Amino acid sequence: DTGVSQNPRHKITKRGQNVTFRCDPISEHNRLYWYRQTLGQGPEFLTYFQNEAQLEKSRLLSDRFSAERPKGSFSTLEIQRTEQGDSAMYLCASSPGGNSPLHFGNGTRLTVT
Amino acid sequence: TQLLEQSPQFLSIQEGENLTVYCNSSSVFSSLQWYRQEPGEGPVLLVTVVTGGEVKKLKRLTFQFGDARKDSSLHITAAQTGDTGLYLCAGGHESNTGKLIFGQGTTLQVKP
Repeated sequence: DTGVSQNPRHKITKRGQNVTFRCDPISEHNRLYWYRQTLGQGPEFLTYFQNEAQLEKSRLLSDRFSAERPKGSFSTLEIQRTEQGDSAMYLCASSPGGNSPLHFGNGTRLTVT
Repeated sequence: TQLLEQSPQFLSIQEGENLTVYCNSSSVFSSLQWYRQEPGEGPVLLVTVVTGGEVKKLKRLTFQFGDARKDSSLHITAAQTGDTGLYLCAGGHESNTGKLIFGQGTTLQVKP
């Protein structure tokens, strides 16, 4: 069990640029979740996948955000035309399904200047 | 909107003291999980409680799920400096999506 892997760990970008993050879940897990966390707060749900299907998206996920999981394995989260308010830690988690506990990666910290 | 309110938000205590963190909601959850998170890392699961009134113990940590499954508490006995971190409660629903609603967290600092 190599755990959930996220890359990059840190990303600094200028406002208006596009960024893409990658998440590699635990290999046998068919569910993958994206959360966003600001400093000192709890994670907020963004979206989740069952295999390659994106089953739910939060209202927090504006049109500038898009997530994919094309082969039901790794996932990418892209933010277009970044804004300073997008600065946060983006966490990925995976689970084998049902109401099994989520296993989180160590996140990608995004700073938009 | 289902919300989980944690209290206190910040707690600074001396090593050896006891503490309790509370997690409250007006909604019923099918399960409740407690996570601990250290700076720069993702949350790590401590425990899952699923039955109203359930009590689980993990060494010096005691977790309780309220009878109505709307609230939970985490009690730490004889805190150690290694207990320092952000403690998060998270509620799951019977929809079986696995999606969790998180509280805002309790930042615990244990001083030597």
